[in-house]
Amino acid sequence: AQSVTQLGSHVSVSEGALVLLRCNYSSSVPPYLFWYVQYPNQGLQLLLKYTTGATLVKGINGFEAEFKKSETSFHLTKPSAHMSDAAEYFCAVSLRGYGQNFVFGPGTRLSVLP
Amino acid sequence: GAVVSQHPSRVICKSGTSVKIECRSLDFQATTMFWYRQFPKQSLMLMATSNEGSKATYEQGVEKDKFLINHASLTLSTLTVTSAHPEDSSFYICSARDLERGNQPQHFGDGTRLSIL
Repeated sequence: AQSVTQLGSHVSVSEGALVLLRCNYSSSVPPYLFWYVQYPNQGLQLLLKYTTGATLVKGINGFEAEFKKSETSFHLTKPSAHMSDAAEYFCAVSLRGYGQNFVFGPGTRLSVLP
Repeated sequence: GAVVSQHPSRVICKSGTSVKIECRSLDFQATTMFWYRQFPKQSLMLMATSNEGSKATYEQGVEKDKFLINHASLTLSTLTVTSAHPEDSSFYICSARDLERGNQPQHFGDGTRLSIL
């Protein structure tokens, strides 16, 4: 079975500062990994995904994440935070094969301070 | 790109009412759709997997007679919360996979906020 942990339920950064949201996963087989963003009362928007190949993946809005198999991690980063980045971020894991459902982490709320 | 539409976006109703939520894939066919529930300040929890033309598969602890799922076509799945009570108040989100695009991630609807008074 898969599981996902996200260290820090709430992260606050200043505008322009580095954003680092942590995600660790547990899976019996190499998984697919995803980061989603959720704005209040809205659904999920895909930021980026890792399937195979390059371990550093770039997504929308300047976000990127690096898959580190040895650390079973998939941390999300952005060099410079913007006010519009304030939202809830979910890391998710899926078994290989997109037909499988996702297992979501508990989420991290990102606040960006002026 | 592919879009999943959920309707309604918000429902407020009295206890005992049955509520139907629709999930539509707008420009692709989806043999499988997923229904999630999200309580305030919590993550998404899978409730059930909806399969076109067959019975839905429910996760442990989810009452199938309470949460009726119908997936009658390749573009529509419905979730009916029967005799809803205040504890059913939650944010319900569906997702669907584009069958023709092979290995592409699921697309999520914008969710339905259900409030039972």
